[in-house]
Amino acid sequence: EDQVTQSPEALRLQEGESSSLNCSYTVSGLRGLFWYRQDPGKGPEFLFTLYSAGEEKEKERLKATLTKKESFLHITAPKPEDSATYLCAALNAGGTSYGKLTFGQGTILTVHP
Amino acid sequence: DAGVTQSPTHLIKTRGQQVTLRCSPKSGHDTVSWYQQALGQGPQFIFQYYEEEERQRGNFPDRFSGHQFPNYSSELNVNALLLGDSALYLCASSLSQGVSYGYTFGSGTRLTVV
Repeated sequence: EDQVTQSPEALRLQEGESSSLNCSYTVSGLRGLFWYRQDPGKGPEFLFTLYSAGEEKEKERLKATLTKKESFLHITAPKPEDSATYLCAALNAGGTSYGKLTFGQGTILTVHP
Repeated sequence: DAGVTQSPTHLIKTRGQQVTLRCSPKSGHDTVSWYQQALGQGPQFIFQYYEEEERQRGNFPDRFSGHQFPNYSSELNVNALLLGDSALYLCASSLSQGVSYGYTFGSGTRLTVV
């Protein structure tokens, strides 16, 4: 069974204090690893898709990386507006042209000014 | 360009009742997936619709059913509501042949069962 685990469950940072979020996955037929940001009461907002081990993508203060078993979301010099829940999801296509997302439980990030 | 639209935004129902949630996909998308997100948890896959048929289903009972219309919009129906069905229900749309490019999520419907 597909499984995605995120750590830590919650992370408190001071503004400017860089850190990383971890996403471990066990998925057969991985087609992509997704990172989403979710604000309270809202739907997930797409950040990145990673397709193969060694791939990296950046957007402003965020950088996502992928290995064969894990993905990391690095946050450099965070600001209070980066506070949100960050969700990791693995896409299992199972050999088909379509698939479903298996999500981790999320990491709640709080950045204090 | 409108993204994914869900209605209603909030809903309160009594245990045992039935509920219908609605979703309009992003323009150009033909596949709709539904997810349930309990408080403090990640979204859980319910099912996926393409060409008006259920293509995949997660570990949810038959009380959960859906429909997709010719214009690609979709409905999620839940019968015999339980207190444990209280959650944020998310609709996500995608392209049938381009799922690796990701899913666009709506803002969700917050269902409270009392």
